[in-house]
Amino acid sequence: QSVLTQPPSVSGAPGQRVTISCTGSSSNIGAGYDVHWYQQLPGTAPKSLIYANNNRPSGVPDRFSGSKSGTSASLAITGLQAEDEAHYYCQSYDSKLGGLAVFGGGTKLTVL
Amino acid sequence: EVQLLESGGGLVQPGGSLRLSCAASGFTFNNYIMNWVRQAPGKGLEWVSGTSGSGMSTFYAGSVKGRFTISRDNSKNTLYLHMNSLRAEDTALYYCAKDRLNGEAPYSFDYWGQGTLVTVSS
Repeated sequence: QSVLTQPPSVSGAPGQRVTISCTGSSSNIGAGYDVHWYQQLPGTAPKSLIYANNNRPSGVPDRFSGSKSGTSASLAITGLQAEDEAHYYCQSYDSKLGGLAVFGGGTKLTVL
Repeated sequence: EVQLLESGGGLVQPGGSLRLSCAASGFTFNNYIMNWVRQAPGKGLEWVSGTSGSGMSTFYAGSVKGRFTISRDNSKNTLYLHMNSLRAEDTALYYCAKDRLNGEAPYSFDYWGQGTLVTVSS
């Protein structure tokens, strides 16, 4: 059971917009800690996609955006493309549980 | 260009030990927290451990505390993970991950290695 909760899967057609939620609690996202997102393409290592809630590393298209409110965060992908099909993970800091850096369980994005 | 190259994985019996290494290049190694993150086969990501730029501060997930020890050799730009009392549930691909900051605790991971596979089985 992950500290941060994500939907196991989402899907969308090319060109559409999809969102992936990440729900935490008062000891992590709700305490004001930043949320970060990673993309893991099949058979590859994770890659930083969004950091500090809504910042894109150099090279990440502006089709990807992040937001945070209360105890939750979201990753939005607009203009969906076939190459966006991957697993997406949120990550934050937790002040109470056994791990300091905590991940969501991951969401598999399928491009229809 | 930042590069992280892990090594040391392999097959080990339950209760055994293993040492992982991560050779880093392309950035000032001692300026950043370094971390280990693992991924069990077909599962999600789990942060395992981190160490401050100086190596003086170390951080562990509850699942490995007391069994794993993280260390670094800044003269060699190398990160280590010493794993003892290994269990079947430690079977995973272990990634070395550079932190974006050198703050008070692991924060966000901006570069990742390709991983080294650890299999714990009799």
